Order: sequence, then C-alpha cells, then structure tokens
Amino acid sequence: EVQLMESGGGLVQPGGSLKLSCAASGFNLRDSDMHWVRQASGKGLEWVGRIRGKPDTYATTYAASVRGRFAMSRDDSKNTAYLQLNTLKAEDTAVYYCTRLGDYYYFDYWGQGTLVTVSS
Amino acid sequence: EIVLTQSPATLSLSPGETATLSCRASQSVAIYLAWYQHKPGQAPRLLIYDASNRATGTPDRFSGSGSGTDFTLTISSLEPEDFAVYYCLQRSNWPSFGGGTKVETK
Repeated sequence: EVQLMESGGGLVQPGGSLKLSCAASGFNLRDSDMHWVRQASGKGLEWVGRIRGKPDTYATTYAASVRGRFAMSRDDSKNTAYLQLNTLKAEDTAVYYCTRLGDYYYFDYWGQGTLVTVSS
Repeated sequence: EIVLTQSPATLSLSPGETATLSCRASQSVAIYLAWYQHKPGQAPRLLIYDASNRATGTPDRFSGSGSGTDFTLTISSLEPEDFAVYYCLQRSNWPSFGGGTKVETK
C-alpha cells in the first residue's frame, strides 16, 4: 500500500527556518516526481513546488511565492523527500502536504499533512 | 499562471440530489484537468483526471466533462460521504488549483 507521511511541522518565529520530511512507503521514491502543496486555514490548496527524480537530475521548480526561500531535496536511499523552509513569513502558515505525481501526471497519493505555524 | 475559478463557492443540497460543480480556466488547459475531494483532516483524493476519466475506486456517480476552459463535475444522487470540498487542478502549465466548492448538507 502506497503511503506518504509528513513530519517536522511546528511553531516557528517569523524569519525562522524549518525542515519538513515526507516518508514514502509502498513504492520506490526514486521512480517518482514529488510535489509539495499547502493549505492555509480557511483557504484553498496552493502548489508549492516539485522535485524530479534522478533521471531528471533532481530538478526543482518552485511557486513564485516561495522561490528563493524554500528548497526541496530528497534521499532516495531513505525513501524520503524534504522541504526546507527559510525566511518564514506569517503567510507561510499552512498545512503542508507532500504528494506523488502518478501515472497519469496528476497527484495520486497524498500525505495527511503537517502544520507549520509562523508566529511570534 | 493559469487561474482556475470554481463556482459556486458553496452548494447546499440534500442526499439523493445531484451536484453540479463548475471550474473555469483563464486560458485553455485542453483536457488536462482533474477533480479532487477533500475532507477535513484527510488527504485530498483524486476523483477524475484528464477531465472525464474516473480514477481507480471513484464511484460512477461522479462524472467529469469539458475541455478548453470550461469543466464540470457532476455528482448524481449524493451520498452522505460525498459532502466535502471539491477542487479542480490543471496540469497544462505549472499546477494550479481552483478555490474549491464546498458541498454541504441542506
């Protein structure tokens, strides 16, 4: 069974940093592009960015709202993807989901999400 | 950036009724549009991909239609478990989601 599980969320002050993890099971992470999506309270879903697999040299692409502040990485040997959040702002407060790009080039499996709260 | 606009924002219906949800794109996305169901505290669930194809496990009361800029998700004969928020997603360009339609119990 394919599962994704995020961890690492928490309370951080504006300007601070946090690193989220996304542990995958039931499939080989190296075969998949991994994306991150977030949802602020009472708001809709927002695409954050993606990291491709080894064949595509782990290329990353980010939404304009986080570019230059967030960084994605992955450790295929641990079947885990990461999202490094830097220079955090109050508007980055959200539940962060990792999701897999599936066979039909849509997000087919998602984690349960991890909450990041940016507040002083 | 392709902007997706969903309407209505909220749909108040009773079990057994039919829900019709709309998603309009700011420019053509061909058929590269999906629909997701999202319940509080749960992961979003893929229902429909490429505008009209049901994902594995999606009941046949869910159907999708449209192409270009106008898309529709129809849920015929609503079941109690169908009350949720529904999002459209385009993959024609960098992914973007609509603002969501909440289907609530009347």
